[in-house]
Amino acid sequence: GAVVSQHPSRVICKSGTSVKIECRSLDFQATTMFWYRQFPKKSLMLMATSNEGSKATYEQGVEKDKFLINHASLTLSTLTVTSAHPEDSSFYICSARAGGTGVVREAFFGQGTRLTVV
Amino acid sequence: AQKITQTQPGMFVQEKEAVTLDCTYDTSDPSYGLFWYKQPSSGEMIFLIYQGSYDQQNATEGRYSLNFQKARKSANLVISASQLGDSAMYFCARMDSSYKLIFGSGTRLLVRP
Repeated sequence: GAVVSQHPSRVICKSGTSVKIECRSLDFQATTMFWYRQFPKKSLMLMATSNEGSKATYEQGVEKDKFLINHASLTLSTLTVTSAHPEDSSFYICSARAGGTGVVREAFFGQGTRLTVV
Repeated sequence: AQKITQTQPGMFVQEKEAVTLDCTYDTSDPSYGLFWYKQPSSGEMIFLIYQGSYDQQNATEGRYSLNFQKARKSANLVISASQLGDSAMYFCARMDSSYKLIFGSGTRLLVRP
């Protein structure tokens, strides 16, 4: 199946710094990527939808200036957590889909990034 | 909001037995897809099975089968012949018309030896 690579898998950063997380589709062109956040023992919450070459669409309650998303190519989307604070500590995971219409049978997920802000 | 409901926060099953994980959903979309994912402690999301809203037959993938009851808006996952490695979190999800996945709250399955 298709592979989505997410990097880094774990990151620890100091409060006030910014962290960039990359999501790459390795063997297909991902016209759309989704970024999710997961708190411990909770479900995945969709943060934003990233479309190649256009601005991301953020879900209600997600601060777009805090979580910057860039989808500059068909194989790469990045999520930057700006001026990170301890409450931003979480598990972030991306998923990607190829183009085309109709409901696809799979949404391909990256391995996830565990962010700890100290 | 169009929700996905998983009413079982935790389930136990004896090794080699079958277990059913419940999932109900709410949607007004005529066409949609239903997914089940397994999430081990490592955090990765492992795709298990997919059911399309217009599929006539229930989906099956190896030991996984989906009991799809469209009128009841339920899509329960059945795992047959449970193995110790099946212990994990299981999430039901629905894909909407914009291809977003909406997840349920998850069920933690523990397989007992």
